Amino acid sequence: EAGVAQSPRYKIIEKRQSVAFWCNPISGHATLYWYQQILGQGPKLLIQFQNNGVVDDSQLPKDRFSAERLKGVDSTLKIQPAKLEDSAVYLCASSLDSAGSPLHFGNGTRLTVT
Amino acid sequence: QKEVEQDPGPLSVPEGAIVSLNCTYSNSAFQYFMWYRQYSRKGPELLMYTYSSGNKEDGRFTAQVDKSSKYISLFIRDSQPSDSATYLCAMKGAGSYQLTFGKGTKLSVIP
Repeated sequence: EAGVAQSPRYKIIEKRQSVAFWCNPISGHATLYWYQQILGQGPKLLIQFQNNGVVDDSQLPKDRFSAERLKGVDSTLKIQPAKLEDSAVYLCASSLDSAGSPLHFGNGTRLTVT
Repeated sequence: QKEVEQDPGPLSVPEGAIVSLNCTYSNSAFQYFMWYRQYSRKGPELLMYTYSSGNKEDGRFTAQVDKSSKYISLFIRDSQPSDSATYLCAMKGAGSYQLTFGKGTKLSVIP
């Protein structure tokens, strides 16, 4: 079974620039998550999709972050404009459903904002 | 008080030692408990997944959940240098999708 794929692996941008991350979940997984992991911290949920609908985006800074999951498969997360404090690893995860199934993570995109 | 507390370490042990990693939590609604292993520059990898209280064993790894004390543990027997990683505990309530993570404990197993 192929795992969760993410790209790019690394990205360096200047503050106020924009950036986008891409995620392809495990085939058949209905639920997709974007997490932010700041150095030395556990992952923090940004947004959760069930198929192509948003289930929870309460911790997504909507003035600068946006995400979409077209056709209920791939997803993109965008930041515009970026701030220094956005420097983190952005992890995508997927699960069969949202209730009891465990999450499977990709290797993340490491973002550095200078 | 944070919902999930985990000592960040670092924890350094000699090869072959028994390692004990722990988390405490405050939310009594948590029913599902997980341990993830995260190697440097990789995503978290699910190690153990348990429901409610009790023990679960998988090879050299044993997960324990004590809901009365709101305390979970991961034991690693005969630790190997390849076990060197950050270990994250995570938990969520029944029917909930919100997964709450600890900060992670960085483990180094010295040959």
